Amino acid sequence: SQKIEQNSEALNIQEGKTATLTCNYTNYSPAYLQWYRQDPGRGPVFLLLIRENEKEKRKERLKVTFDTTLKQSLFHITASQPADSATYLCALDIANNNDMRFGAGTRLTVKP
Amino acid sequence: NAGVTQTPKFRILKIGQSMTLQCTQDMNHNYMYWYRQDPGMGLKLIYYSVGAGITDKGEVPNGYNVSRSTTEDFPLRLELAAPSQTSVYFCASSTTGLAGTSYEQYFGPGTRLTVT
Repeated sequence: SQKIEQNSEALNIQEGKTATLTCNYTNYSPAYLQWYRQDPGRGPVFLLLIRENEKEKRKERLKVTFDTTLKQSLFHITASQPADSATYLCALDIANNNDMRFGAGTRLTVKP
Repeated sequence: NAGVTQTPKFRILKIGQSMTLQCTQDMNHNYMYWYRQDPGMGLKLIYYSVGAGITDKGEVPNGYNVSRSTTEDFPLRLELAAPSQTSVYFCASSTTGLAGTSYEQYFGPGTRLTVT
């Protein structure tokens, strides 16, 4: 069956550490993968997009990798801060026609 | 730019009633989407549109209808509301990138709908 799984429902880390979130998918061959941040009661906000021919993408303290062989993307937040606490969602265009599928999200809590 | 706006913010419907959720974007984006998000879950795509006059079903279209008569507006219609349609509904838009693939989606603030 086709599905998108994010590694855990919740992740708790200490301020200053690196948070690593995982997005695994099966039976899709997406041309790109996106990561979003969602705060309670708000709509998701786009963070990064990585294409199938890109191994890694960086933006400030954020880093995303994309392994199309493993069908996995890793999302890293370095030097994490309490303000990074939110739910992070990965999303795929499953048929390269804008039919978007989201993972259930990982709720990250960064403790001071 | 206001971005993506949705109305209403909250609504309570009785079983069997109908309503239209409004979505407007002022970024001249071709692509627009409707999602629903149940508590603790990710977003599920209901319908999407790649341009005025063109709509396609997503993952969970049953019980909903859409239309896209203009670039700016993408209303979602609920006919015969059911308790299973209790959810938060998000509208989103995006522009196109190379080879027709879309860039990031911009989301509205959501409509919280309860059907009792």
